[in-house]
Amino acid sequence: SAVISQKPSRDICQRGTSLTIQCQVDSQVTMMFWYRQQPGQSLTLIATANQGSEATYESGFVIDKFPISRPNLTFSTLTVSNMSPEDSSIYLCSVGQGASTEAFFGQGTRLTVV
Amino acid sequence: DAKTTQPPSMDCAEGRAANLPCNHSTISGNEYVYWYRQIHSQGPQYIIHGLKNNETNEMASLIITEDRKSSTLILPHATLRDTAVYYCIVSGNTPLVFGKGTRLSVIA
Repeated sequence: SAVISQKPSRDICQRGTSLTIQCQVDSQVTMMFWYRQQPGQSLTLIATANQGSEATYESGFVIDKFPISRPNLTFSTLTVSNMSPEDSSIYLCSVGQGASTEAFFGQGTRLTVV
Repeated sequence: DAKTTQPPSMDCAEGRAANLPCNHSTISGNEYVYWYRQIHSQGPQYIIHGLKNNETNEMASLIITEDRKSSTLILPHATLRDTAVYYCIVSGNTPLVFGKGTRLSVIA
């Protein structure tokens, strides 16, 4: 299994500011993903972080709002830009090695925007 | 959209087996059944997955019907620490798409 470290674990931010969340994995992984979990809801996929190229975003999520970097096979960042209270959620990093294998999740970053 | 249907909530007495059902009638031949759980305020935890054979590990057993249209996750001796939301996911590849899951409450 992969050990995933997410930083920060939680933050309280002012509206209009940006926060960058880091995801570090203890081994090289093929695939990295970012999810959002709004209060009381299930997980929603934001994007696939592609190593060496632009991330692939799901419907309803755009690069200007959620820029993602993935400089190598063990690290990725998600930035939540120009935050509003509606962005208050848990943001989760996930890694996988492809079909028929399990995916693993970080402990999440709990973001509160005031 | 999630391809699975799960009951929104279930209760189980501590020490008894917890049997969590999942319907996935539109599953394709190359899609696996995955189970994850999420304990309050933590990231989802992998439990088990399978293609068509029943599977068992140290956490749970997964029973998949012969037609693969439904499955059951079995926690053999539920404890209070097993209280969580359990997600059944059908997927042929990552990323995983989460439905609403079943909220399992283990009661002393």
